[in-house]
Amino acid sequence: SQELEQSPQSLIVQEGKNLTINCTSSKTLYGLYWYKQKYGEGLIFLMMLQKGGEEKSHEKITAKLDEKKQQSSLHITASQPSHAGIYLCGADIGRLTGGGNKLTFGTGTQLKVEL
Amino acid sequence: EPEVTQTPSHQVTQMGQEVILRCVPISNHLYFYWYRQILGQKVEFLVSFYNNEISEKSEIFDDQFSVERPDGSNFTLKIRSTKLEDSAMYFCASTPFGPSQYFGPGTRLTVL
Repeated sequence: SQELEQSPQSLIVQEGKNLTINCTSSKTLYGLYWYKQKYGEGLIFLMMLQKGGEEKSHEKITAKLDEKKQQSSLHITASQPSHAGIYLCGADIGRLTGGGNKLTFGTGTQLKVEL
Repeated sequence: EPEVTQTPSHQVTQMGQEVILRCVPISNHLYFYWYRQILGQKVEFLVSFYNNEISEKSEIFDDQFSVERPDGSNFTLKIRSTKLEDSAMYFCASTPFGPSQYFGPGTRLTVL
């Protein structure tokens, strides 16, 4: 099984609708990172979560970390065509502290926003 | 805002040739990484580098791969004899003393 599972794999929503993407780890999360990617392009950093119960927002995107469940969710409110892309979660599930840990990535969620 | 930069943006090479992918990490960062992403697949860790040595590497990072920080600013990934399956997007990342990771825009490597 995958160390980091994302769901759903793909999502089509109408413009203006809300949506949620989930990322679940099979190991303890020491940090959870959300990135956005256009197909074949680079990773755009969205947010980083470290502490259980932590919640961060940027514009219409909110991310939460539920440490007990080893899960994070990304919620987009009132989706727009500009939100379309691939959302990736990356987890620091190493035992080292203070930096220097690789990120393990999920398989991504492809989001399409229809007009 | 400081950024990780990578050159070239696209590299085309013949199978069996050596390639060097270049990265300039953010200047005060201490940890450096290479990841790759085969088109349509997930981002995979290759190697991490700290204090002028490899701190961790994945199974993908075999003897054909090497990394170097030749001059205190650049961080390079060398593939000695490229294979068709090395075709991928290669991302460099750097981290300050702390868990944040900043990714470069990537180099698309195409092996013919």
